[in-house]
Amino acid sequence: QVQLVESGGGVVQPGKSLRLSCAASGFTLSSYGLHWVRQTPVKGLEWVAVISNHGTIKFYADSVKGRFTISRDNSKNMLYLEMNSLRGEDTAVYYCARCGGDCNSVSAAIDYWGQGTLVTVSS
Amino acid sequence: DIQMTQSPSSLSASVGDRVTITCRASQGIGSYLAWFQQKPGKAPKSLIFAASSLQSGVSSKFSGSGSGTDFTLTISSLQPEDFATYYCQQYYSYPLTFGGGTKVEIK
Repeated sequence: QVQLVESGGGVVQPGKSLRLSCAASGFTLSSYGLHWVRQTPVKGLEWVAVISNHGTIKFYADSVKGRFTISRDNSKNMLYLEMNSLRGEDTAVYYCARCGGDCNSVSAAIDYWGQGTLVTVSS
Repeated sequence: DIQMTQSPSSLSASVGDRVTITCRASQGIGSYLAWFQQKPGKAPKSLIFAASSLQSGVSSKFSGSGSGTDFTLTISSLQPEDFATYYCQQYYSYPLTFGGGTKVEIK
């Protein structure tokens, strides 16, 4: 069955960096695009970034553009989110989620979600 | 960015009730609309894509309709396991955007 397992969350000081990972299993990773979505009690669900199945297409939310980098390693069945210059407003639960297609275009809905990993940005 | 507005933000209903949640997009999105269910402390679960198509394994008591700017999610007969928060999301264009959620509580 499809499984997405995030890791790498924790407490980090403002201005520092953190890398999240998402281990995928139960499907052929190279056939699917992948998203990062975050959630806070105040702002709700917020889409962060997407990467197409072969990593050639990437889009970011304006709130993270220039600070976060999404990447993937299909040979290792892994998705990553490199987060730099972290701010308090980046505090959230971060989910990886599978695009229902290759995500080379937008036209596929999210079909599976990981369980999430909590990132807390605080001094 | 496309704004997604859900209503109501919360509702109270009884087991067996038929429940309808509305989602409105700030511009036309065709049928590029998904619905998710989230229970406390858990990840969202995908229910519906393309406005009205059920994800694999999702109960047929859930149904979706609409196109353009106005969409609905209907739960035909509310069961205890359906008490949760429901979110709509457009995937017509980036950035993907979500509605603010509708919390379905027990009356």
